[in-house]
Amino acid sequence: DTEVTQTPKHLVMGMTNKKSLKCEQHMGHRAMYWYKQKAKKPPELMFVYSYEKLSINESVPSRFSPECPNSSLLNLHLHALQPEDSALYLCASSQLAEGETQYFGPGTRLLVL
Amino acid sequence: GESVGLHLPTLSVQEGDNSIINCAYSNSASDYFIWYKQESGKGPQFIIDIRSNMDKRQGQRVTVLLNKTVKHLSLQIAATQPGDSAVYFCAEITSPPFSGGYQKVTFGTGTKLQVIP
Repeated sequence: DTEVTQTPKHLVMGMTNKKSLKCEQHMGHRAMYWYKQKAKKPPELMFVYSYEKLSINESVPSRFSPECPNSSLLNLHLHALQPEDSALYLCASSQLAEGETQYFGPGTRLLVL
Repeated sequence: GESVGLHLPTLSVQEGDNSIINCAYSNSASDYFIWYKQESGKGPQFIIDIRSNMDKRQGQRVTVLLNKTVKHLSLQIAATQPGDSAVYFCAEITSPPFSGGYQKVTFGTGTKLQVIP
């Protein structure tokens, strides 16, 4: 099983809402990642978790709050977002070893009104 | 032919022809490179990888070439099919020292491949 699942597939939220994106993998990967992808642009790394601890925060605004409750789950909590935060949010996972491939989920398409 | 649009370079090829997608990377210290395929509405999908100590690797219908001298990567797709239509990203991977193995992935700008039936 090389599947990374993400829910919801689509999300529309207002600027005052609080919502969460969820990501799950059952490949035993101990590294998990959040990316943001705008239309016609490459994915941009936001956060990296290794062994359920935050390892990289690429200067992401605090209105995005990641959480890794266990080795299979990764959440992204959203609060007070701006319209420019509308994008495809991708989750990925990998083994913790050099040269290991990152497997991506299908993404959550987020629209902030 | 190849054209550069407002945001995404596009390569149009006839079905059955070979496709070559090029990528320039920036970090000479990158350990490892991956080509990803992204279809509309989906996440990036792994196609093929190559380590920095290699210059060529072949898969099924795909070949990746790495030229470290000029920091250039290419993806060749043989006998291109309509199902190959997608955006293709090259990605350079580094594992920061003392990181325990997590990867930092930097994606190229992407090339849209359009296959003409």
